[in-house]
Order: sequence, then structure tokens, then C-alpha cells
Amino acid sequence: KNEVEQSPQNLTAQEGEFITINCSYSVGISALHWLQQHPGGGIVSLFMLSSGKKKHGRLIATINIQEKHSSLHITASHPRDSAVYICAVRETSGSRLTFGEGTQLTVNP
Amino acid sequence: DGGITQSPKYLFRKEGQNVTLSCEQNLNHDAMYWYRQDPGQGLRLIYYSQIVNDFQKGDIAEGYSVSREKKESFPLTVTSAQKNPTAFYLCASSNRAGRLLEKLFFGSGTQLSVL
Repeated sequence: KNEVEQSPQNLTAQEGEFITINCSYSVGISALHWLQQHPGGGIVSLFMLSSGKKKHGRLIATINIQEKHSSLHITASHPRDSAVYICAVRETSGSRLTFGEGTQLTVNP
Repeated sequence: DGGITQSPKYLFRKEGQNVTLSCEQNLNHDAMYWYRQDPGQGLRLIYYSQIVNDFQKGDIAEGYSVSREKKESFPLTVTSAQKNPTAFYLCASSNRAGRLLEKLFFGSGTQLSVL
């Protein structure tokens, strides 16, 4: 079992839909990252969370430390949101990041 | 513009050949990382460096080597000992390794394939 699991693996939505991507982890963490990987491979950091909720534009990230779960929400989705979204956690026991396998999101016009 | 530059974008390796992937950053970051990405798997850490002239093995260091002679440069050599080198390689940097909420900056990656 992976230490970081994302769901769904693949998600197809219509433009304008509200999207949720989930991340569950099995270890104690000090921080959780949400990353976006565009076609072509470059990765951009979207959020870093240690508690609560963060919002940036149409993106919202939440984390529940007790339940070891985080969600990434996209409101009013757009085709340019099509990308792979990756969850990564920094364990309390070390300085390294452990990455989920990613969620491929496709938003159709 | 500040950022991380990886080159080349695509690289082909012949059997028994060593190849070197370049990673340069102008963000004045202390820490640099190399990750390997395979289809259907999360990124895996190959090597990382927290300061110049120092680096540590990650989870899958066998068959790879690195150097950190300059703060801005962290090249990765894929040696002939790496028997399955075909993958997408990503370089990243951060202001200080291990800091609680350090933000990672990534390069655009290098796709390595075996001829």
C-alpha cells in the first residue's frame, strides 16, 4: 500500500464543473503539497498546507490532519486546468517528500 | 526571470554509455533535488544536496551519480550501471531543505530513453 494515495486516478469533466481530487496518507506529516504538472512535464507548486484551508483564485485546498486526508477543489473548471495534479507529503520523521501517483484531469469545453 | 533550467529536453542513451543531465538554477536556493518519474508511479528521489560540495543519496541512487561544485548547478549522471534508465527526470530546488513549508521549484524535465 502506498503511503500517499490519490483518487481518482483519472477524471474527466465538462467546463464549468466543480472538481474534487482527494489525497489520503498513512504517515504522520508536517506538511502537504499540491502540485500541478502540465503536458510537457513541468511542475508548479500550488499549495503547501499544514492545517486548515487555503484558497488561490479558483483553487481551494483543505487538510484534515486527524483523518489524514486532503482535498483539492477547482471551482468553475476550465480546459486550461487540464493537467496532472500531484499530492506530496513531508513526513514528521524526515525531510523528504513522498509523492502520490497523480490524478490526470481533463476538462472538456 | 528566475527559475530552473534542465537540458536537454530529450536524451538518448546507448548501451554501456554514461549520460549527464544538466540542472541550473538562478534562484539562489541552497537545496537541489533530482527525481525520477515513471508512468503510474509517484516521483522518487534519486539524490539531493543541501549545500555546495555536499549531497546525499535518495531512495533510488544506485546507478546514478551527482556533483555540487557550484550552488547554481547540480548535474546528474546516469551511469551504465543503471539498467533501466528510461524515465522522465525532474530537477527541483528550494530555499532550504527540510524547512517545514519550503516551496519547491521544478525544472521542465528531461526524458531519457535507451536506444
